[in-house]
Amino acid sequence: ETGVTQTPRHLVMGMTNKKSLKCEQHLGHNAMYWYKQSAKKPLELMFVYNFKEQTENNSVPSRFSPECPNSSHLFLHLHTLQPEDSALYLCASSQGMASGTIYNEQFFGPGTRLTVL
Amino acid sequence: GNSVTQMEGPVTLSEEAFLTINCTYTATGYPSLFWYVQYPGEGLQLLLKATKADDKGSNKGFEATYRKETTSFHLEKGSVQVSDSAVYFCALTETSYDKVIFGPGTSLSVIP
Repeated sequence: ETGVTQTPRHLVMGMTNKKSLKCEQHLGHNAMYWYKQSAKKPLELMFVYNFKEQTENNSVPSRFSPECPNSSHLFLHLHTLQPEDSALYLCASSQGMASGTIYNEQFFGPGTRLTVL
Repeated sequence: GNSVTQMEGPVTLSEEAFLTINCTYTATGYPSLFWYVQYPGEGLQLLLKATKADDKGSNKGFEATYRKETTSFHLEKGSVQVSDSAVYFCALTETSYDKVIFGPGTSLSVIP
């Protein structure tokens, strides 16, 4: 247990569906992240939130829409996805930029395995 | 820009064999270096870290030394076990940013 939970663990959706992935951290962190992990490809950073403000959007298509209502929760809203979006979506958290730490260890959730039909 | 290169594998070893996974990095400043491990069906978890040159990180029998002169952070273990089968990611973070740069991952399979 890393203190970061993700739901659902598995999701199968059609290209016309709308669904949401949820991430919750119980570590008192201020930064949260979405990553995409596809087979045989490097880990891709999608979004970063620091103190609830989005600080990074790595050219992610608009069919992925993040939401961070507070520093403990992070959502990824999905709509009109493509089959190539099938992947493991990982959420992570860390102390955040204002922490004064000299490194920034990230704590990962177990991921949501998404399959788009 | 900053980047991390590591041997991609897959690496297959017999139990009790010696493990080395090479990692080299490119960074503009003085990064902190990490090894993360991902066991089957799980997210990534931090295995060890080093925050300055010549530091040695160690955990669960794994070690890595921060070599600034060769910009390397190779992961080693003297005697691997079947339970070490996983994907290993080398990573770095610049001190002034939140973003962690991950390598492509190295898959390790240990057979009895």
